[in-house]
Amino acid sequence: DAGVIQSPRHEVTEMGQEVTLRCKPISGHDYLFWYRQTMMRGLELLIYFNNNVPIDDSGMPEDRFSAKMPNASFSTLKIQPSEPRDSAVYFCASSPSGGKDTQYFGPGTRLTVL
Amino acid sequence: AQKVTQAQTEISVVEKEDVTLDCVYETRDTTYYLFWYKQPPSGELVFLIRRNSFDEQNEISGRYSWNFQKSTSSFNFTITASQVVDSAVYFCALMSGANSKLTFGKGITLSVRP
Repeated sequence: DAGVIQSPRHEVTEMGQEVTLRCKPISGHDYLFWYRQTMMRGLELLIYFNNNVPIDDSGMPEDRFSAKMPNASFSTLKIQPSEPRDSAVYFCASSPSGGKDTQYFGPGTRLTVL
Repeated sequence: AQKVTQAQTEISVVEKEDVTLDCVYETRDTTYYLFWYKQPPSGELVFLIRRNSFDEQNEISGRYSWNFQKSTSSFNFTITASQVVDSAVYFCALMSGANSKLTFGKGITLSVRP
């Protein structure tokens, strides 16, 4: 079975540009999570969805960040406009129904904002 | 509030040594879940184990074992006869309360030298 798929794996962009990160969760999983990993703050949850509905977006740093899940097999995390401090590895994870199940992570997208 | 403390930041051992990675957690909830993830140099996050708060049995999986002690709020991870391939960053994580959010520790960088 395919795991969580993320694209692109690497993204380099210039400050002020729009960045879109994509995620395909494991088929049949009802929960989808977006995490960010930085040296300073470690791994932190940005937002998560249950059945395509955002449940908790309290970790989204500011209005420049937005996330959508238009259907059960696709989610995007958008940063507009991007800033150098957004440079990080962004992970998508999914888990089966229940909310307390194990979260399985994608390979991550390494974002560099120049 | 929930918190995970991994006091050890870096550990270096010689191959075939045993090594224990410590994890101390804080939560006011009586029902919670503990996890360990491995992040090898390639960057992905690999799930190792999930344990719920009602199951204090220790677990062994090959060279890996986990010691869960509610009395000391600890969930320690031991690798027996370490190998070079065990070199990675290891994260302990906690999920508690109504939220499905994973709270991660800062991680422990394990280096196994030949």
